Amino acid sequence: DAEITQSPRHKITETGRQVTLACHQTWNHNNMFWYRQDLGHGLRLIHYSYGVQDTNKGEVSDGYSVSRSNTEDLPLTLESAASSQTSVYFCASSHRREAAEAFFGQGTRLTVV
Amino acid sequence: LAKTTQPISMDSYEGQEVNITCSHNNIATNDYITWYQQFPSQGPRFIIQGYKTKVTNEVASLFIPADRKSSTLSLPRVSLSDTAVYYCLVKNNTGGFKTIFGAGTRLFVKA
Repeated sequence: DAEITQSPRHKITETGRQVTLACHQTWNHNNMFWYRQDLGHGLRLIHYSYGVQDTNKGEVSDGYSVSRSNTEDLPLTLESAASSQTSVYFCASSHRREAAEAFFGQGTRLTVV
Repeated sequence: LAKTTQPISMDSYEGQEVNITCSHNNIATNDYITWYQQFPSQGPRFIIQGYKTKVTNEVASLFIPADRKSSTLSLPRVSLSDTAVYYCLVKNNTGGFKTIFGAGTRLFVKA
């Protein structure tokens, strides 16, 4: 069955380190998204991509970057981790922009100490 | 992007019908109303989407009045496993998921 997977599921890192969170989907979806979820804020969009070599900033993109070199993967990089980036990160994909349904991964819980 | 307002939390009992209302006063002509469900330690999961009037699927019904400034998600005969956070989204179907998830409504179903 097609799926979307995130790795690692949990990570602890130190302030100032570069961290990369992986997202891999096997639906061949063009659209992929990264969100962070903090208590009281719902999910906030970090970056998104509508296809290979396409990346766009979301509402909370500072301190994060993404690259899209193939259809299946959209890794999220924290250039220099900060304690404010402690959060749960979700990756999602959808087939078309007009699609009603997006498929979310299980999330990565990141702690920056 | 249209903002949504929904109750922070709701309690219910098993077997009852639950109605969660969402306000979206600034909804645009091209916007659809979409609802997601999220269990603890999981990503959100699509429930239902509608544009106007009523939409029903095997999980829920969505009621949207003519002015589209609000919508109501109806869950028939809830069970303990329906305890989750429910998000109302206003989604422009040309913009993908470049959309706003609010804080959602935390539904707690009791035995």
